[in-house]
Amino acid sequence: GAGVSQSPSNKVTEKGKDVELRCDPISGHTALYWYRQSLGQGLEFLIYFQGNSAPDKSGLPSDRFSAERTGGSVSTLTIQRTQQEDSAVYLCASSLAMTASGNTEAFFGQGTRLTVV
Amino acid sequence: AQSVSQHNHHVILSEAASLELGCNYSYGGTVNLFWYVQYPGQHLQLLLKYFSGDPLVKGIKGFEAEFIKSKFSFNLRKPSVQWSDTAEYFCAVTNTNAGKSTFGDGTTLTVKP
Repeated sequence: GAGVSQSPSNKVTEKGKDVELRCDPISGHTALYWYRQSLGQGLEFLIYFQGNSAPDKSGLPSDRFSAERTGGSVSTLTIQRTQQEDSAVYLCASSLAMTASGNTEAFFGQGTRLTVV
Repeated sequence: AQSVSQHNHHVILSEAASLELGCNYSYGGTVNLFWYVQYPGQHLQLLLKYFSGDPLVKGIKGFEAEFIKSKFSFNLRKPSVQWSDTAEYFCAVTNTNAGKSTFGDGTTLTVKP
């Protein structure tokens, strides 16, 4: 597709269950970000993938959170043993990074709204 | 580590008032600068961007921003806001060496009709 696609758009899960959130970035974008946006809060950085480099995981809030990016394209964010405080909108963004033009504009998906009950 | 600071958490204006949202960043190298906007119920989208050249950049819907390198600032301005400008605004900086973008905490703008 032309834009960043995230699935599911909404997810309701029971406390303690594991969830997987998927992100399909724009084709050719080497950089991929995951952010979390809680109600009334700003963007909380979670993880950053850039090409084949080791991901920047400095924003992951706990070891229950992990993410993978397979083949430099699709990414999956996994939350294990979900807690109520994990409820938020999880946003994925992709961009061209370090291009000759310097254009590192981020394109965002619609997000996955996660509700832990 | 680079960081982005948006000084105003919530701004309330009446229609036709002028707007200026502050953004400062901490990184001494070459940067790309952005303002993104998130309208209620919509996804984040680009408002304007600066890469190089004229430090005064113009974006969509009458917004503009000025890059002042000496002040590490990239403030967003609009001379006359409309009710439809009600949204959350995010400033972002990309360190062109590392290619990673850092976002500010956002400013919620409410425009009263």
